[in-house]
Amino acid sequence: NAGVTQTPKFQVLKTGQSMTLQCAQDMNHNSMYWYRQDPGMGLRLIYYSASEGTTDKGEVPNGYNVSRLNKREFSLRLESAAPSQTSVYFCASSEGTSGKLEDYEQYFGPGTRLTVT
Amino acid sequence: GQSLEQPSEVTAVEGAIVQINCTYQTSGFYGLSWYQQHDGGAPTFLSYNALDGLEETGRFSSFLSRSDSYGYLLLQELQMKDSASYFCAVTPDTGGFKTIFGAGTRLFVKA
Repeated sequence: NAGVTQTPKFQVLKTGQSMTLQCAQDMNHNSMYWYRQDPGMGLRLIYYSASEGTTDKGEVPNGYNVSRLNKREFSLRLESAAPSQTSVYFCASSEGTSGKLEDYEQYFGPGTRLTVT
Repeated sequence: GQSLEQPSEVTAVEGAIVQINCTYQTSGFYGLSWYQQHDGGAPTFLSYNALDGLEETGRFSSFLSRSDSYGYLLLQELQMKDSASYFCAVTPDTGGFKTIFGAGTRLFVKA
């Protein structure tokens, strides 16, 4: 099992450019998440998807859109990148339905380091 | 809303015991989680407390007191490889399994 994979690993954009960050998981998890991590601020939830076909806003959704393409894949799109979106982006997944401990254990991808100039 | 507070840094000696505290303000939540993150790496899950009390997993233990709005992570027999950032997180009971993370505590283990 690869777990959670993310592409690309690194990206440099100019202000105003758009791009899509890809995420896939092979653990048959129902819930998937996108976070951004800035120095000293921990992880902040951008969007999440509780199950295939549903998405919901997190703490910092402005400037982003998401697509839950199928159960495996959850993409994050920046339509018009801004320097404030320079960050490390993590995708994560969790079981999300059993009502057990497994629901709360999130598995993270390796991250995408994005710089917007 | 929800907020979590952790110390920004903790330093301890190899072989010692260290406790990382987490205080929170949240209207309601399913449980408190802890994650470890090494520099340049991804967060990895350590523990989850749904109920008050102590949960033990090897050298790591986690504690929750809902009445005190407080939890902690206890690391025993510290090793150099434990030098990392540690995040507490709550899962609000507002539906779904989204999680709110604290800003993290940087642990430095010295020889």
